[in-house]
Amino acid sequence: RKEVEQDPGPFNVPEGATVAFNCTYSNSASQSFFWYRQDCRKEPKLLMSVYSSGNEDGRFTAQLNRASQYISLLIRDSKLSDSATYLCVVIPSSSGGSYIPTFGRGTSLIVHP
Amino acid sequence: DAGVTQSPTHLIKTRGQQVTLRCSPKSGHDTVSWYQQALGQGPQFIFQYYEEEERQRGNFPDRFSGHQFPNYSSELNVNALLLGDSALYLCASSLSRDNYGYTFGSGTRLTVV
Repeated sequence: RKEVEQDPGPFNVPEGATVAFNCTYSNSASQSFFWYRQDCRKEPKLLMSVYSSGNEDGRFTAQLNRASQYISLLIRDSKLSDSATYLCVVIPSSSGGSYIPTFGRGTSLIVHP
Repeated sequence: DAGVTQSPTHLIKTRGQQVTLRCSPKSGHDTVSWYQQALGQGPQFIFQYYEEEERQRGNFPDRFSGHQFPNYSSELNVNALLLGDSALYLCASSLSRDNYGYTFGSGTRLTVV
């Protein structure tokens, strides 16, 4: 089983739709979780952190379920500009003092008019 | 405040050749991580450098080596190139032990023919 798994999609939704992505992780000792956004042929950029209590940033809501070992990203009122690949990132606890982010393969979102 | 800069942006090499990619971290960052991203996949961790030493390494062969200089900049070297080494190579800088401060460069797209 891969450390971090995501449905690659693509998720094809109309403008204004609500869409949700999940990401599962295998290491129960994982400490930190993030969502990154990557536009076509560009570098990944941090979208938001994910906290156990859940967090919201405008139209974006991220949640963590430690018991089931998954994180989610909800996008409300989708815009054309939301079209991108969304990468789930997990950082395990580390005995060596270095924290190496592990990336999922990403979920592709296409928002159409 | 310059972000992470990588050079070159694109590169075409022949099988068996050697290549050196360069990365200058974001101002104030002291840690550099290198990732390989194949088409349609998430970034895969190659190694991380801190205080001019390789601190952690992913599942990559010894053909992949690196270096960090006193000014925190870094190089990634790949020897005996294979067709499968064709990918986007991303450099990410951070402040040591900071889980939240990963900043990516725009990458070097390497094509091996």
